Amino acid sequence: QQQVKQSPQSLIVQKGGISIINCAYENTAFDYFPWYQQFPGKGPALLIAIRPDVSEKKEGRFTISFNKSAKQFSLHIMDSQPGDSATYFCASSYRSSSNTGKLIFGQGTTLQVKP
Amino acid sequence: DAGVTQSPTHLIKTRGQQVTLRCSPKSGHDTVSWYQQALGQGPQFIFQYYEEEERQRGNFPDRFSGHQFPNYSSELNVNALLLGDSALYLCASTTRGLGANVLTFGAGSRLTVL
Repeated sequence: QQQVKQSPQSLIVQKGGISIINCAYENTAFDYFPWYQQFPGKGPALLIAIRPDVSEKKEGRFTISFNKSAKQFSLHIMDSQPGDSATYFCASSYRSSSNTGKLIFGQGTTLQVKP
Repeated sequence: DAGVTQSPTHLIKTRGQQVTLRCSPKSGHDTVSWYQQALGQGPQFIFQYYEEEERQRGNFPDRFSGHQFPNYSSELNVNALLLGDSALYLCASTTRGLGANVLTFGAGSRLTVL
């Protein structure tokens, strides 16, 4: 019940295209769903996050779509750029003071955007 | 404003040795978590420290231990190193006042066990 499954493992997209990464979770108590971006030699950095009371959140070229009934959420990168080439991780957690600092991460998706 | 800083950035140890990794949280943050990231995998939660106490622990053996100091900085100790402990160790900080797990990660300490 603690797993987060992410797909695809790797993705190649042409510049200007749309990148889509999917995640599925099991624990219905999860109520916080962030996406992190990680460049080689760096730690993960928060990109965008959503709570289950909304079905979509958009920040610039990045959009999270959330389907509570299916227990799935996805990251869409519009107009993908070579600078977006990185590894992307979805994660899940639930809010409580005792759970602060604990995220369950997916396995990661390596995105390559070709010029 | 410095973010999360970790040291050392790289280190090499042999099986059976012990290692200590250090982390300074982002200014204003009081909670530190440690994660292990094996090559090609997502980070896995090791444990969390708040008010100098371990508050929550992931599925890691007792060989993994930690400490948080009054200035909120933290150490991760791993005893009796195994080859499988080779990984990137990430420190993340947050504050309970944020109300959610908005974590700021450091760049990590890359541990190689030979």
